[in-house]
Amino acid sequence: DGGITQSPKYLFRKEGQNVTLSCEQNLNHDAMYWYRQDPGQGLRLIYYSQIVNDFQKGDIAEGYSVSREKKESFPLTVTSAQKNPTAFYLCASSLGTANEQFFGPGTRLTVL
Amino acid sequence: QKEVEQNSGPLSVPEGAIASLNCTYSDRGSQSFFWYRQYSGKSPELIMFIYSNGDKEDGRFTAQLNKASQYVSLLIRDSQPSDSATYLCAVICLPGAGSYQLTFGKGTKLSVIP
Repeated sequence: DGGITQSPKYLFRKEGQNVTLSCEQNLNHDAMYWYRQDPGQGLRLIYYSQIVNDFQKGDIAEGYSVSREKKESFPLTVTSAQKNPTAFYLCASSLGTANEQFFGPGTRLTVL
Repeated sequence: QKEVEQNSGPLSVPEGAIASLNCTYSDRGSQSFFWYRQYSGKSPELIMFIYSNGDKEDGRFTAQLNKASQYVSLLIRDSQPSDSATYLCAVICLPGAGSYQLTFGKGTKLSVIP
């Protein structure tokens, strides 16, 4: 059953804590992405990776970090430096960056 | 700054009518165009993509592209209450710094009234 999985579905964090969001895909896609969506806002790109061991900053990378050690996995860490981390986080993947993207179910992060 | 503009709505149509969703984009070099459907609280789902000028039909959905006018639209025929969702237009622009980027509009909220 091919697809993109994200975990956890809901995440609560205390201020000052780092948290890591998981994203896994078994579609054999080279490219993976992290977006953030706030109410009434469009999708904003945080980081993307075109290939294993390589990634680039998107439009709002400050306060976030990623790694791409395996083709299937692209975890996102929300650090304490991110000023307003409460949001809906979406992971996506595509064959290449010129191809259509498919999204995982998302993780809703709330800072308490 | 590459921009993708959509009317935020809400767009209300009666059940059985045609819903017309519109999107304009700023980058003339844009190459690929996508429509995603997003139900409240869920992730976006790809429903249509179009690369060439003209119309592309898939079931009740038709995507229309006019590159000269920098305009892409989505028509939904025989609208159903289950079509009520936010529709996101997305455009892939020419590469900057060696890679393409998918730029999303903020979405149009569609409400189909039974």
